[in-house]
Amino acid sequence: DAGITQSPRHKVTETGTPVTLRCHQTENHRYMYWYRQDPGHGLRLIHYSYGVKDTDKGEVSDGYSVSRSKTEDFLLTLESATSSQTSVYFCAISESESREQFFGPGTRLTVL
Amino acid sequence: SQQGEEDPQALSIQEGENATMNCSYKTSINNLQWYRQNSGRGLVHLILIRSNEREKHSGRLRVTLDTSKKSSSLLITASRAADTASYFCATGGGSTLGRLYFGRGTQLTVWP
Repeated sequence: DAGITQSPRHKVTETGTPVTLRCHQTENHRYMYWYRQDPGHGLRLIHYSYGVKDTDKGEVSDGYSVSRSKTEDFLLTLESATSSQTSVYFCAISESESREQFFGPGTRLTVL
Repeated sequence: SQQGEEDPQALSIQEGENATMNCSYKTSINNLQWYRQNSGRGLVHLILIRSNEREKHSGRLRVTLDTSKKSSSLLITASRAADTASYFCATGGGSTLGRLYFGRGTQLTVWP
């Protein structure tokens, strides 16, 4: 398995609180991605990174921000969590833009 | 939307039978990928087929790509109960810097 971990694996929080999810890789891959998975929607891209400090928005980026200060870490922040952000969040990494992506185990986030 | 769409949404077969899942998409692509997701787990990459390829094999998996029809199929031969999972197609390419667009998936159930 690709060396990719996510923390925390489960989190329950309240509306309005900030939340940060961490993705850590040991593969030295350039590309990193954050997706959310919801029933009936498949996986939707939130943000992605194509290098240290290089990030861009995906299709559902509102309410989320990201940071990548090191190759191995990609942080996803919900500045003020809302119930609509209850979801399972997956991080993925890729060696290049035309290669397969390797996924982490996911973080289940519940916003009450 | 560039999102792929899988068909059928659900498929139920007996062990030993073949399973065929289809994926259609709307825009030009550089590659198309298939992933498997077991319940409660992250996605696992199965196979990547590039736009200039028509067919690809990996073990019991066979993927075809018809760019003129903007469609792909995944065939799993001699299915096993362990193949029970959700299968997703994802399209990528052009200037999207590795972004993948996932469909909603096909839920495959293989009965012993």
